[in-house]
Amino acid sequence: DTGVSQDPRHKITKRGQNVTFRCDPISEHNRLYWYRQTLGQGPEFLTYFQNEAQLEKSRLLSDRFSAERPKGSFSTLEIQRTEQGDSAMYLCASNLAGGLSTDTQYFGPGTRLTVL
Amino acid sequence: AQTVTQSQPEMSVQEAETVTLSCTYDTSESDYYLFWYKQPPSRQMILVIRQEAYKQQNATENRFSVNFQKAAKSFSLKISDSQLGDAAMYFCAYRVRDDKIIFGKGTRLHILP
Repeated sequence: DTGVSQDPRHKITKRGQNVTFRCDPISEHNRLYWYRQTLGQGPEFLTYFQNEAQLEKSRLLSDRFSAERPKGSFSTLEIQRTEQGDSAMYLCASNLAGGLSTDTQYFGPGTRLTVL
Repeated sequence: AQTVTQSQPEMSVQEAETVTLSCTYDTSESDYYLFWYKQPPSRQMILVIRQEAYKQQNATENRFSVNFQKAAKSFSLKISDSQLGDAAMYFCAYRVRDDKIIFGKGTRLHILP
């Protein structure tokens, strides 16, 4: 078990560009979550998947954001036409829903996005 | 709506002393889970301790323990024998089974040598 991994760890982009982040959950975990954390704040929920199905999206997830988990394993989060307000840490977490330890979400190291 | 409130933005404690971080939450659910997460300067979120709402016994993990008061919707974290490695942001968090986590705004803990 190598834990939740995210790539890249850091991304600097210019306003208006598109960016894509990747999250690889713990292998047997069927739930995958995306959160956004701005400086000095707690993480805020964006969206989550059970296997390949996207089950919930936050109002924070504007039309410029899209997330996928095509084969129920890794997930991608794309931001189109980035804005300076998108600068944040994007965290991914996973857990096994329905198992004995369903209630612990394990977090990845995050992707820090800076929009210039 | 469920909310989590941490009223102490920052706290300091002398090394080897005990410190208590406060947290209150609001929910209409009866079955839920509460957590304390630690986020060191490297920023990877680490689970410190968790509490199931249906359990009356307070959770403990080595030097970390909680005081869970369900009726008061209070969930404080006590760190005993504080160590320099305990310095971090601590987030109180709430979750209904298998659902998203709702975090508080965090308490930054400083350990004074």
